[in-house]
Amino acid sequence: KQEVTQIPAALSVPEGENLVLNCSFTDSAIYNLQWFRQDPGKGLTSLLLIQSSQREQTSGRLNASLDKSSGRSTLYIAASQPGDSATYLCAVSETSGSRLTFGEGTQLTVNP
Amino acid sequence: DAGITQSPRHKVTETGTPVTLRCHQTENHRYMYWYRQDPGHGLRLIHYSYGVKDTDKGEVSDGYSVSRSKTEDFLLTLESATSSQTSVYFCAISGTPDRVNGLETQYFGPGTRLLVL
Repeated sequence: KQEVTQIPAALSVPEGENLVLNCSFTDSAIYNLQWFRQDPGKGLTSLLLIQSSQREQTSGRLNASLDKSSGRSTLYIAASQPGDSATYLCAVSETSGSRLTFGEGTQLTVNP
Repeated sequence: DAGITQSPRHKVTETGTPVTLRCHQTENHRYMYWYRQDPGHGLRLIHYSYGVKDTDKGEVSDGYSVSRSKTEDFLLTLESATSSQTSVYFCAISGTPDRVNGLETQYFGPGTRLLVL
């Protein structure tokens, strides 16, 4: 059974700092990996999707990397802003159209 | 945002009553999913659909049933609600109408908060 772990569970940083969120998964036979953002009381917003054949994806200040063989992904956030404060979730799928298995998330607080 | 709506957005009900949650999409996506989100458990899949009238169970399907009679609608029914089904329920969609493989981002609806008393 696939298990996804995110470390740390919570992170507080000053504005402007570069930071890395970590995600690990137990079964390396994944189809893709997604990073989501969730604001309190809201739904999930997709940030980045990495196919299993890719090593990284970038969107603005966000960069996600994937090392499938070691079962790890990182989300790098450059020049953090208070508006980045949210919970970040990592999820993997094992086949096309299949369910996502989620980690419990990292709660990020960026202090002005 | 992908065109996904969920109704109702909030519901309070009593133990033993049936409850139906609706997910509606305007994207003509093939796949639809129901997840629940609980503290300490994260998001877990309840049921999913890979086409009209094609559904399958997820990891926490006991006590839930689903139906998909049209591409755009996916209904989740709690046959007899229990307090353990108090949760936030999210619908998600993925896939494009004319391709099976490739990039398949899952897009999530705004959620339904259900309280079973």
